[in-house]
Amino acid sequence: DTAVSQTPKYLVTQMGNDKSIKCEQNLGHDTMYWYKQDSKKFLKIMFSYNNKELIINETVPNRFSPKSPDKAHLNLHINSLELGDSAVYFCASRGLAGVSYEQYFGPGTRLTVT
Amino acid sequence: SQKIEQNSEALNIQEGKTATLTCNYTNYSPAYLQWYRQDPGRGPVFLLLIRENEKEKRKERLKVTFDTTLKQSLFHITASQPADSATYLCALDLGGYNKLIFGAGTRLAVHP
Repeated sequence: DTAVSQTPKYLVTQMGNDKSIKCEQNLGHDTMYWYKQDSKKFLKIMFSYNNKELIINETVPNRFSPKSPDKAHLNLHINSLELGDSAVYFCASRGLAGVSYEQYFGPGTRLTVT
Repeated sequence: SQKIEQNSEALNIQEGKTATLTCNYTNYSPAYLQWYRQDPGRGPVFLLLIRENEKEKRKERLKVTFDTTLKQSLFHITASQPADSATYLCALDLGGYNKLIFGAGTRLAVHP
């Protein structure tokens, strides 16, 4: 059973397009995250939702909009894609606050903007 | 400014030796520090967590130390194997909603 899954795994698109990445976790976790890993391999947090509520919103262009329809799903929509958006995007989840601290990551979505 | 640094981009060691990876940070006060392993093309996988009031944590061949005075964590893999070859990421856990601040990682290569 896949704990945290993301679709698609690869996404190649042109500048100016709008695209979405989907994430689902079947661990029953309350908190989910989006991270961006750039070409230098730095993994940086973008957003976090706890039980469908946005709790972390880093300095990210407002072209990026997360949406959590329920606590098992967290999607990322990106408008007007730019070359600099090319990266690997990881979704992660974590269990109950104060009890569980480790994060479980998905396999990543490699976004290439041409 | 706030920084988190991991030693050298790559560490090459012989099979059977102990690998020691370093994580240094400045201007943070983490409640916890976590270590993850990342293989090429895959997401990070959690390995160990150590709390600010713990000096050392062990799990099988892995050992982590945490010195909040030096602002440093050391990650050791004893009796290393080629299968241990991967990138190892340290992450400062600032508590609360567990916002993790990751280092750039150290790529470990264990040679037979």
